[in-house]
Amino acid sequence: QLVLTQSPSASASLGASVKFTCTLSSGRTNYAIAWHQQQPEKGPRYLMKVNSDGSHTKGDGIPDRFSGSSSGAERYLTISSLQSEDEADYYCQTWGTGMVFGGGTKLTVL
Amino acid sequence: EVQLLESGGGLIQPGGSLRLSCTASGFTFRSYGMSWVRQAPGKGLEWVSAINGGGASTYYADSVKGRFTISRDNSKDTLYLQMNSLRAEDTAVYYCARTPSAGGHDAFDIWGQGTMVTVSS
Repeated sequence: QLVLTQSPSASASLGASVKFTCTLSSGRTNYAIAWHQQQPEKGPRYLMKVNSDGSHTKGDGIPDRFSGSSSGAERYLTISSLQSEDEADYYCQTWGTGMVFGGGTKLTVL
Repeated sequence: EVQLLESGGGLIQPGGSLRLSCTASGFTFRSYGMSWVRQAPGKGLEWVSAINGGGASTYYADSVKGRFTISRDNSKDTLYLQMNSLRAEDTAVYYCARTPSAGGHDAFDIWGQGTMVTVSS
């Protein structure tokens, strides 16, 4: 079964960096994933697609502060120079016979 | 501007039916797979259903299989979700989302703003 695992919460200070992890279920190390941001009371926004080799393709208008990487079954989203508007829920998503979302990570900017 | 606009949400009694629509603009609609994704109040995102660009292939989450039907009218640039036998647990904001693959399985690269469906007596 295709499952994505995310930590429920994260926090970091204004101006600092934060790294989110999305873990693919066993045997799925070659899967690409996508990262989405959902700010409070808003719909999701596509951030980027991260491939198994660590290459990533960002959505239109996504700042350079956002980057993606990969290692084994883990896919990462790093946000540098944190700003207050980065406080949001972050979801990873992948696809097989259907689509799958991780449970999401709530980021608090201190 | 690439845009998706959902409509058709509302308050419906358990066991009732509702049809959601998603109107696309700013891109060649028939070249893209489309999906419906929902989010129950205070919960995470849940994929509901997908359809390929031509409309011939459809896919459903187990939670809605047999009750919901996804379809599209490429002449009207519109995606639909027919929801029957609605249950309280179907209460959610429903989003339509685009995938860059015509086959329908890929990252969601464009999202709509959502439409709220409330199932309650």
